[in-house]
Amino acid sequence: NAGVTQTPKFRVLKTGQSMTLLCAQDMNHEYMYWYRQDPGMGLRLIHYSVGEGTTAKGEVPDGYNVSRLKKQNFLLGLESAAPSQTSVYFCAISGFSGPSYEQYFGPGTRLTVT
Amino acid sequence: GQQLNQSPQSMFIQEGEDVSMNCTSSSIFNTWLWYKQDPGEGPVLLIALYKAGELTSNGRLTAQFGITRKDSFLNISASIPSDVGIYFCAAPKTGTASKLTFGTGTRLQVTL
Repeated sequence: NAGVTQTPKFRVLKTGQSMTLLCAQDMNHEYMYWYRQDPGMGLRLIHYSVGEGTTAKGEVPDGYNVSRLKKQNFLLGLESAAPSQTSVYFCAISGFSGPSYEQYFGPGTRLTVT
Repeated sequence: GQQLNQSPQSMFIQEGEDVSMNCTSSSIFNTWLWYKQDPGEGPVLLIALYKAGELTSNGRLTAQFGITRKDSFLNISASIPSDVGIYFCAAPKTGTASKLTFGTGTRLQVTL
């Protein structure tokens, strides 16, 4: 998975609980992304970052927050988990030498909210 | 809009058969990407296409950037059991530096 790791791999939360998902890369890529994948819906972009200290909203940002304090790490937070946030979450990176559409994905985090 | 429609949604094939799938849109793109996702894993980039009409191979996989720039095709020759998985096409969102739109995938299952 091109030097992209995600922590944790699995998690079960109760409604209202909070958690943070960590994405770490050792590839020195500028761009990092968080996606969610639901059955029959492909991959949908939650938030992304074009560099250290920057974040931006994707197509489904509600209920999530992100931070990129260090270039190699991109954190996805759920402040108050809801059952609708049950999904598989993928981190991706791109842009080793400028903007690039070639994204490389981590192994995913499977989250269940009960 | 920028929706990518993949066809077929799923397919069963015999080992050794050739496979064809496609991705279409009503929008024009300058880049097409094809990913494969194994069960329980993240998507892996297979092929990237940057020019209309371009034909690019990666082992038994061949992808084509449609001449209209509204579609792309992926072919797998002589399929083997490890070809099982979901194949996604992706293309850049209009006006963005690096964001992608993904298709909903073609699920490939191979019977021996």
